[in-house]
Amino acid sequence: AQSVAQPEDQVNVAEGNPLTVKCTYSVSGNPYLFWYVQYPNRGLQFLLKYITGDNLVKGSYGFEAEFNKSQTSFHLKKPSALVSDSALYFCAVRDRNRDDKIIFGKGTRLHILP
Amino acid sequence: DAGVTQSPTHLIKTRGQQVTLRCSPKSGHDTVSWYQQALGQGPQFIFQYYEEEERQRGNFPDRFSGHQFPNYSSELNVNALLLGDSALYLCASSLGRIETQYFGPGTRLLVL
Repeated sequence: AQSVAQPEDQVNVAEGNPLTVKCTYSVSGNPYLFWYVQYPNRGLQFLLKYITGDNLVKGSYGFEAEFNKSQTSFHLKKPSALVSDSALYFCAVRDRNRDDKIIFGKGTRLHILP
Repeated sequence: DAGVTQSPTHLIKTRGQQVTLRCSPKSGHDTVSWYQQALGQGPQFIFQYYEEEERQRGNFPDRFSGHQFPNYSSELNVNALLLGDSALYLCASSLGRIETQYFGPGTRLLVL
């Protein structure tokens, strides 16, 4: 069965520093991978996705993510954090070779400290 | 270009009642998926509608049912509400079943 793990409930980063939000996944076949962000009392906003090709994916708001097949990871990164990046981040996976359900992780709360 | 819209934004019901939530997809999208997000959790897939039929279903009881209309809008119905049904219900739309999903703001349901 497919699954997603976000090992950190919360990540604290000083403004201007680089940030990383971790995600590992498990699927039987090849994955589609996604990152979404959720602001308080809002729905999820799409940030980026990996389908195939280049392992470094660039997305919205300066975020990027690196697909690592050997480590089954898809960590979200940003070179310089902004206070406005503070939100809840979700990693999600879909198994390309099975059904079309997307499985979400539990989320990581990112706090950017001014 | 309107994004995904959901109504109502908030709803309070009592145990045993029935509720209907509504979703209009992003312009040009034909597929609607519904998710339940409990407090402090990630979204859990309920089901997906495409061509007015339920195509995929998550681990939710038959109390949860849905419908998709010819204009691609969708409804989520929950019967015999339980306290545990209290959650944020999210609708997501996409062009096709496997393309990127775009989410609405959600309907927050409180069951007393």
